[in-house]
Amino acid sequence: ETGVTQTPRHLVMGMTNKKSLKCEQHLGHNAMYWYKQSAKKPLELMFVYNFKEQTENNSVPSRFSPECPNSSHLFLHLHTLQPEDSALYLCASSQDRTFLGAKNIQYFGAGTRLSVL
Amino acid sequence: GQQLNQSPQSMFIQEGEDVSMNCTSSSIFNTWLWYKQDPGEGPVLLIALYKAGELTSNGRLTAQFGITRKDSFLNISASIPSDVGIYFCAGQLTTQGGSEKLVFGKGTKLTVNP
Repeated sequence: ETGVTQTPRHLVMGMTNKKSLKCEQHLGHNAMYWYKQSAKKPLELMFVYNFKEQTENNSVPSRFSPECPNSSHLFLHLHTLQPEDSALYLCASSQDRTFLGAKNIQYFGAGTRLSVL
Repeated sequence: GQQLNQSPQSMFIQEGEDVSMNCTSSSIFNTWLWYKQDPGEGPVLLIALYKAGELTSNGRLTAQFGITRKDSFLNISASIPSDVGIYFCAGQLTTQGGSEKLVFGKGTKLTVNP
């Protein structure tokens, strides 16, 4: 248990569906992240939030829409996805994005395994 | 962009053997992290290194932050079956724009034969 909880753990959706991934952290952190993990590729950073403000969007297609209502919760809203979007989506949190070292170590959730049919 | 070259990509070893893996880059990092990911789970932090030359142990795991700040290695001694998984290195750096960035290697998949 890392203190970062993701739901659901598995999701199968059609290309026309709308679904949301949820992440909750119980670590008192202020920064939260969404990553995409595909086979044989390094982890791809998608979005970063620091103190509820989005600070990074790494050219992610608009069919992925993040939401961060408070420092403990992060959502990823999905709509009209493509089969190539099938992957493990990981959420992470760290104490504060603006610091180096120990205060910015990222702790990961278990991920949501997404399959787009 | 910044890249980490992690090697080997995969390892097949016998229980009890020692393991060594490393990450190198042309970029300079402020922090090196080593994570382990079990199947169906997220990466779990094993060791964090904050200073060049630092050598840190966590049980049977030992990691070092290279003197040049461009590399790091992870050693596992006397491997056991539960060491199976994918090991990722990650380097933390400051970009030219002044923001912090965590760069990941592609992982080393470890298989331990009992």
